[in-house]
Amino acid sequence: DGGITQSPKYLFRKEGQNVTLSCEQNLNHDAMYWYRQDPGQGLRLIYYSQIVNDFQKGDIAEGYSVSREKKESFPLTVTSAQKNPTAFYLCASTQMWGSYNSPLHFGNGTRLTVT
Amino acid sequence: KQEVTQIPAALSVPEGENLVLNCSFTDSAIYNLQWFRQDPGKGLTSLLLIQSSQREQTSGRLNASLDKSSGRSTLYIAASQPGDSATYLCAVQGAQKLVFGQGTRLTINP
Repeated sequence: DGGITQSPKYLFRKEGQNVTLSCEQNLNHDAMYWYRQDPGQGLRLIYYSQIVNDFQKGDIAEGYSVSREKKESFPLTVTSAQKNPTAFYLCASTQMWGSYNSPLHFGNGTRLTVT
Repeated sequence: KQEVTQIPAALSVPEGENLVLNCSFTDSAIYNLQWFRQDPGKGLTSLLLIQSSQREQTSGRLNASLDKSSGRSTLYIAASQPGDSATYLCAVQGAQKLVFGQGTRLTINP
């Protein structure tokens, strides 16, 4: 079955450490996204990538970095510069950026806790 | 700047009732509007996508409508079941990005 795999499901880190969240899709989608979800704040866009080897900052990119070396992979690194990294992180993809008829598909998320 | 609002934030109804969830948006220049379902601790599941040129979409007991001129969409759930309990989010796709509402937490009581 096609889908998006995020790993790990739960991640615990000490403050000051960088951590990388994995996102892999086998849907052959061009566009991929990272969102952060906090209680009462909805989903906020961190980074997005329309095509391989290209990505853009979203609304809250500070303290995060990404890469898009392969179509199916879009890892997110949470750096020590991110002031409040504890959150639920969601990866998503869609067939084509800016399409009228491309629904967004989501992974099951990674819950990151930093102490 | 696009803003998406969902009211109410939470809704509790008895099993079997028909219900309507509301979504409003401020900028009518959209590609599409999507409705998602999110179960606790899980990712979002796409329910329905309405293209900007369409008025409604149906899937089983779900019907979503779109009125672009007034900036409104509704999600109608017929004959609600306890398994429908979840948070429902709408999202509007514009030229630059998808903007989400904060969701309506729905509880269906047996």
